[in-house]
Order: sequence, then structure tokens, then C-alpha cells
Amino acid sequence: QKEVEQDPGPLSVPEGAIVSLNCTYSNSAFQYFMWYRQYSRKGPELLMYTYSSGNKEDGRFTAQVDKSSKYISLFIRDSQPSDSATYLCAMSGSGGYQKVTFGTGTKLQVIP
Amino acid sequence: DGGITQSPKYLFRKEGQNVTLSCEQNLNHDAMYWYRQDPGQGLRLIYYSQIVNDFQKGDIAEGYSVSREKKESFPLTVTSAQKNPTAFYLCASSAYRGAYNEQFFGPGTRLTVL
Repeated sequence: QKEVEQDPGPLSVPEGAIVSLNCTYSNSAFQYFMWYRQYSRKGPELLMYTYSSGNKEDGRFTAQVDKSSKYISLFIRDSQPSDSATYLCAMSGSGGYQKVTFGTGTKLQVIP
Repeated sequence: DGGITQSPKYLFRKEGQNVTLSCEQNLNHDAMYWYRQDPGQGLRLIYYSQIVNDFQKGDIAEGYSVSREKKESFPLTVTSAQKNPTAFYLCASSAYRGAYNEQFFGPGTRLTVL
């Protein structure tokens, strides 16, 4: 079993829809939870990170962490064609150097 | 502009050849990383370095080598011992901010073995 599981998609939604992207994990030591966006043939860029459980909002993006269920989500409101990309979840522990473990990524297509 | 550069963008190699991928950063970050990305497998850590003249193996170091002679540079050599080198290679760097390890990525190098 992988430490981090992420549905690869692809996920196709119409423009303006609310998108929900999710990851599950098995390592209870994870404390930092990140979402990266990767456009085709480009490097990933950090969208958001959260520490421990709770919600964090940034514009149209909301990240949620439920440590009791070992489940994290990224919601995109009013999705735009420019949101079409692969979204990678990533996680790490805390204290000193911690390796970052990435999910496989979910490919999202927002159709105009 | 601060950032991470990788070169070349595309690289073709014949079997049995060693090739070196370049990674440079001007973010003044101490730590640098090399990842390999294959379809359906996410990012896998090859090597990382937290300080000049020191580096550690990641999860899939076999067939790869690195050096860290300067803070700004972390080149990766893909040797002929790497059985399946065709992949997208990503370099990243991070500044140590207490416990949080935010990694910034370069644009990647796509290596194809002919």
C-alpha cells in the first residue's frame, strides 16, 4: 500500500463547477499537507499548504485536512479553463529535515 | 528574477551513455533535490542535499550520481547503470523554515533514451 493515495483521474468538469480533489494517507506522522499544481510539461508550483487539521482558504481554493480520517481535500470554486492541470497532494512530518511524499496527481480538465 | 533553472529542456541519450542534467538556483536555498516523474507514479526522490559538499540517497538512487560543490548548483548524472532512464526529471530547492519544507521546482528536463 502506498503512503499516499490519489485518484489519477482524469476529471472533466464544466466551467464554473466546484471541483473536489482528494488524497488519503496512511502515515500518522504527517503534519504538513500541501497541494501543488502542475501544467503539462512544467514543474509543479505550490498552491497551498496547511498544518495539522483544519481548513485554509485562498481565493477560489480551499484546502481541508481531516487527520482523524487521514483524508485531505482541495476544493476549487468557480473553476476556470486555466485551472486545467494536474494537481498533486504532498505531505511531510515536522521537526528537522522531513522528506516530502507526493501523491500521483489528479489530472483536471475544465471545459469552457 | 529568483528561481530554479534546469537545462536542457529535452535530452536524448543513446543506451550506454552517461548524461548530466543541470540545476541552478538563485534563491539562496540550502537544500536541493532531484525527483523523477513517471506516468502514474508521482514524484520519486532520487537524491537530496541539505548543505554544500553533502548529499543523501533518496528512494531510487541506483544508477544516478550527484555533486554539490556550490550552493547554487546540484547537477544530476544519469549513468549507463540506470536500467530505465527515460523520464521527466525535476529539480527542487527549499529553505529551511523551522519544520516546514516548502519546495520550489524547476521547469524539468525530459530525458529520452534512444
